[in-house]
Amino acid sequence: AQTVTQSQPEMSVQEAETVTLSCTYDTSENNYYLFWYKQPPSRQMILVIRQEAYKQQNATENRFSVNFQKAAKSFSLKISDSQLGDTAMYFCAFMKSFEWSGNTGKLIFGQGTTLQVKP
Amino acid sequence: EPEVTQTPSHQVTQMGQEVILRCVPISNHLYFYWYRQILGQKVEFLVSFYNNEISEKSEIFDDQFSVERPDGSNFTLKIRSTKLEDSAMYFCASSLASGGYYNEQFFGPGTRLTVL
Repeated sequence: AQTVTQSQPEMSVQEAETVTLSCTYDTSENNYYLFWYKQPPSRQMILVIRQEAYKQQNATENRFSVNFQKAAKSFSLKISDSQLGDTAMYFCAFMKSFEWSGNTGKLIFGQGTTLQVKP
Repeated sequence: EPEVTQTPSHQVTQMGQEVILRCVPISNHLYFYWYRQILGQKVEFLVSFYNNEISEKSEIFDDQFSVERPDGSNFTLKIRSTKLEDSAMYFCASSLASGGYYNEQFFGPGTRLTVL
C-alpha cells in the first residue's frame, strides 16, 4: 500500500523569502504521479504542481518548483518569493499511473503542512 | 472559471439519521470522487465513480455509504445511518480523466458534517 508523509505540521516564512515543504512517500509502483495541492483558509483545494514519475526533470510552475528524488522517494515543494496569498495548508498527494497498473484516480494524501507567510 | 460546488456547507444531524451530501461536478468531467477529512487528520479517499458505477472504494466506504449520479449533473453521497465518527469535512472532486495529462482533480469547498 502507498503512504505519503509530511513531517512538518507547520511552517512560517517571511514575505519574499523562499521556503521548502517536505514530502516523502512509499510505493512499489514504478510509474505514478505526485501532486502538491494548496488549500487556503475556507477555500477549496487547488492544484499547485504535478510531477510524473517517469520524467527526470523537476516540474516548475512560476514561483513553485519541486525537487523530485525518485530513488529516495522524496518530493519537496519550493516556494520562491513567498507572498501573503501563499498562506494555506499544503498537501502532498500520490496517484498510481493509469498506463501500467490501472488507475481509478484515487489520491493518497499526506497529513498537510500549514504555511504562514508573514509580512 | 468552472468549479465544483457542494451543498450544504454545514450539515448537523442526529446519530442514526440519514444524510445526503450533494455535489455538482464540472460539467464535462467524467470521473467523480468523494474524500473526507476528520478534524486534524489527513484527507482520506472514500470512493471513485465513473460511467455510473463505483470504480474503487476504500475500506471506510462500507454498506452505510452509497453514491449516485441521479440526473447527469449532481453527484451525491448518502450515509444511511450516521455515526458519531462520521463527523468530518467531506470533499467532492471531479476530473476529466483518471490518468494522463487530464487527471487533475478539481475539489469542491466541502461539506462539514456534524453528527450529534
